[in-house]
Amino acid sequence: AQRVTQPEKLLSVFKGAPVELKCNYSYSGSPELFWYVQYSRQRLQLLLRHISRESIKGFTADLNKGETSFHLKKPFAQEEDSAMYYCALGGLDSSYKLIFGSGTRLLVRP
Amino acid sequence: GAVVSQHPSWVICKSGTSVKIECRSLDFQATTMFWYRQFPKQSLMLMATSNEGSKATYEQGVEKDKFLINHASLTLSTLTVTSAHPEDSSFYICSARFGVSYNEQFFGPGTRLTVL
Repeated sequence: AQRVTQPEKLLSVFKGAPVELKCNYSYSGSPELFWYVQYSRQRLQLLLRHISRESIKGFTADLNKGETSFHLKKPFAQEEDSAMYYCALGGLDSSYKLIFGSGTRLLVRP
Repeated sequence: GAVVSQHPSWVICKSGTSVKIECRSLDFQATTMFWYRQFPKQSLMLMATSNEGSKATYEQGVEKDKFLINHASLTLSTLTVTSAHPEDSSFYICSARFGVSYNEQFFGPGTRLTVL
């Protein structure tokens, strides 16, 4: 079955501390992985996708097919990073649909 | 660019009535639109995938006759919750994508439905 697991509901760190939001997926095909972010009172928006291999707002994520993981990392958290983060799995059976994880709330304290 | 709007942003209705929610892509033509449902403090659950001019593809467990989806144009998809009941109360979010290979979805702001 296709599934995305984000084990942490809440991750609280201090400003300047490193951040790692965990994401594991289950899919036997060729996956596309995404991180979406939802800031307070705003809509969901794409943060980054594994195909691009880019760094957005200091965040990076590497697809590890062996461990079926796509963890989101940032070396120095900022207060403005506080938001809800969703990992999503796409590329499913040639469709364009996404399956979302349950989300992790990141709280960066001053 | 790539803005998706939803209307209304919130709606309250009586049990047994039907409610229509619109999803529009404002500055692009959406080849595919998606409808999600989000319960409080939970993730987005995909309800259906909608392609312009064709029938929507519903996810397992989603009642087709309950949640009617119409994708009449490349910029508009509608979700009608028929004979709504209190358990249909939820946050409904649409998203849209364009292009053939680029897989990014652009999300609407969501519609809060409360059924009394």
